[in-house]
Amino acid sequence: DQQVKQNSPSLSVQEGRISILNCDYTNSMFDYFLWYKKYPAEGPTFLISISSIKDKNEDGRFTVFLNKSAKHLSLHIVPSQPGDSAVYFCAASGAGNQFYFGTGTSLTVIP
Amino acid sequence: DADVTQTPRNRITKTGKRIMLECSQTKGHDRMYWYRQDPGLGLRLIYYSFDVKDINKGEISDGYSVSRQAQAKFSLSLESAIPNQTALYFCATSTGWLAGASNEQFFGPGTRLTVL
Repeated sequence: DQQVKQNSPSLSVQEGRISILNCDYTNSMFDYFLWYKKYPAEGPTFLISISSIKDKNEDGRFTVFLNKSAKHLSLHIVPSQPGDSAVYFCAASGAGNQFYFGTGTSLTVIP
Repeated sequence: DADVTQTPRNRITKTGKRIMLECSQTKGHDRMYWYRQDPGLGLRLIYYSFDVKDINKGEISDGYSVSRQAQAKFSLSLESAIPNQTALYFCATSTGWLAGASNEQFFGPGTRLTVL
């Protein structure tokens, strides 16, 4: 049973606009969340993370929002750039143990 | 040089064959992981190891075994490969859990395995 879900397999946005990628989880014991970015023929690379004690974390153009009551997190990319085109995975962990990954969202930023 | 390396990068094998995928890291991390990626299913954890003497099953360990030969090396074996083990396999490493740190995993480039 998928504990971390990304319901949008793909997303297209215009360059310069905002990209919003969504992620839902079912396990209330998850207390740490991460976003990874993956280009073809490469392994995923870390983008940004958030602890359950926060509801927002920002790093440059990337912001992650966490809504614990809704068991939902989102990644905002502003402004979107063509180099952001990749597959984005969210991941969740409880008590620092194993991580559970979502199915991924393929983002295309149109120049 | 890459911090996490995987060999081979591509492998085609036949049903019933034994195959080993190898992972090496120069990051000095204690924790190592094996994942597989399938279309529409994302990354799923096969096995993980928090130190040389610690091996744990992940979500989908059936049909797989692992060996942690040293802190830097973690191998994944398919004792008798079957077609539904065709997938992209990733090794990853991380430090032990540190409060306030990003605690991310560092992934290798992946091994594309095809079982005919």
